[in-house]
Order: sequence, then structure tokens, then C-alpha cells
Amino acid sequence: KAGVTQTPRYLIKTRGQQVTLSCSPISGHRSVSWYQQTPGQGLQFLFEYFSETQRNKGNFPGRFSGRQFSNSRSEMNVSTLELGDSALYLCASSGTPNEKLFFGSGTQLSVL
Amino acid sequence: QKEVEQDPGPLSVPEGAIVSLNCTYSNSAFQYFMWYRQYSRKGPELLMYTYSSGNKEDGRFTAQVDKSSKYISLFIRDSQPSDSATYLCAMSPNSNSGYALNFGKGTSLLVTP
Repeated sequence: KAGVTQTPRYLIKTRGQQVTLSCSPISGHRSVSWYQQTPGQGLQFLFEYFSETQRNKGNFPGRFSGRQFSNSRSEMNVSTLELGDSALYLCASSGTPNEKLFFGSGTQLSVL
Repeated sequence: QKEVEQDPGPLSVPEGAIVSLNCTYSNSAFQYFMWYRQYSRKGPELLMYTYSSGNKEDGRFTAQVDKSSKYISLFIRDSQPSDSATYLCAMSPNSNSGYALNFGKGTSLLVTP
């Protein structure tokens, strides 16, 4: 069974640009969560989607947005990139929001 | 102050040692407690999941939760070089929180042969 797939693995952008990250959950999983991981703040919750609906959102500015498609695949978008957005962005999926979370390997975003 | 505090280490132990990893927290509403292991350039992998206070054992791993002290621990017996990784604690107020987990910053563990 394939795991959670995140693309791309690495990304370099400049300040002011926008970026879209993609996540394909494990087949059959309908819940997708996104986290930001930095050395200074650790893992911080961004948002969670279940059946195309955003159920929960973390304390991040509106520049961070996401969506989930009918096939459960999810994307997150960051607009007007700032240097502080440099981080590892992790996607995780579960069968339902109460089941074990499986993480992908993440997208390493560098903002120059 | 973060709701979950975890000593970043690094913690270096010889192979075969017993490892103790700990987290403290401030939010008394937390009821679900997890430990994740993260290898370099990989996503976190769930090791242990416990509800409320008490102990849970799985192979070489034992998780303890003391809600009265707001303190959780992970013990690794007979540690192996393959256990070298960053260990993250995580917690949430309920199982229906849409996986808005609160993570510690992680403890880096090195097990030397």
C-alpha cells in the first residue's frame, strides 16, 4: 500500500512569490492534515480537511490556504512568501479524523 | 510559553541502555498523548498512543502519562543504533479535534554502538 506522497520534495522560491504544494493521501483515507515544521517552532498545525471540508484551522495568517479534492488529494497554497515561511511542510492522512495519522516525507520550502 | 515543552537534547547513550524521554505540558484539557519518531528527511511515524493517565507497553517501548503532574514519558529498553532519531511528543484535548495536535519540539537521540 503506497504511503502519503508529497510533491515536490524540494522547492526554492523568492520573497513575494506564491507556492502550491501537493499531497496524495493513502488510498481510502479521507482526512488530510497539514503541518509546518521549523527548528525554532517545531511542528505546528496548519489545517485539516475531511471529505473536502476544512474542519479545523491553526493560527496562521490568511496567506496560508488549502483545499481538498473529491479524490481526497489536497493542496496547500502560500501567497506572498516571506523568509520566515522557509520550513518543512508535512502532510498527514488518516481514514477518519480520529484514526492513526500517517505522515508523508514533506516538502522542504526555502524562501530566498 | 508553548503548551508542550520538550528538552531538545541531543541525548547520547550507548547501545543497550534504557532511554527516558519526557515532555511537560500546561493545558489540563489534553487527554490524548502520542509519541512520534522522526528520522532525518522523513515524516514523523507514530510509536505510541495513550489516553488519559497510565502506562502502555509495546515491545521495547513504554509510554507513561501522569496527568496530575502534566508529565509524559517514553522509555526505550535495550536501545539500538537504529533508534537514533528525533522523538516528538504530541497531545490533543480530544479524539475529535481534527488532528490539531500540539507537538513538542522533539528530542534528538543518538545510540552509539
